[in-house]
Amino acid sequence: DTGVSQDPRHKITKRGQNVTFRCDPISEHNRLYWYRQTLGQGPEFLTYFQNEAQLEKSRLLSNRFSAERPKGSFSTLEIQRTEQGDSAMYLCASSQMIYEQYFGPGTRLTVT
Amino acid sequence: DAKTTQPNSMESNEEEPVHLPCNHSTISGTDYIHWYRQLPSQGPEYVIHGLTSNVNNRMASLAIAEDRKSSTLILHRATLRDAAVYYCILRAVYGGATNKLIFGTGTLLAVQP
Repeated sequence: DTGVSQDPRHKITKRGQNVTFRCDPISEHNRLYWYRQTLGQGPEFLTYFQNEAQLEKSRLLSNRFSAERPKGSFSTLEIQRTEQGDSAMYLCASSQMIYEQYFGPGTRLTVT
Repeated sequence: DAKTTQPNSMESNEEEPVHLPCNHSTISGTDYIHWYRQLPSQGPEYVIHGLTSNVNNRMASLAIAEDRKSSTLILHRATLRDAAVYYCILRAVYGGATNKLIFGTGTLLAVQP
């Protein structure tokens, strides 16, 4: 069990560019979550997948954000036309049972 | 979603017990009490959860008040590696629930050698 992995760990991009992040959950986990964390704050929920179905999206997830989980395995989070306010740590978590979520190390996005 | 209130920060000495409080006066009957922690530059890590009874695991103990309006996470012997932000979170657990975590700002625990 290698845990939840995320790629890249760091991303610097210019305003207006598109970025895509990848999350590989723990292999037997059917639930996958994306969160966003800004400095000094706790993580904020963005979206949730059960297998390949996206079952909930936060109001924080504007139409510039899209997430997919093809075949119920890895997931991608894309941000189009990035803005400086998108600078944050993007965290992925997965779970099998309903109680414990296992988090990855996060992808730190800096928009210049 | 029911809200939790935690102190912004606490300090402890190494090898001493630490009691981290959490108030959740609006907790409902379907809410479980969860604790996660976040070490510097890492994603959050599950610590423990409970519903009504006190719980113990290898990492910590969770003491839940009889009226469930407050709880305390107990680290029996703090180590330097326990320095982290500790989050107390309520999660409704029922059929169809997303089980998303709603984090507050947590308690920053500093451990002095």
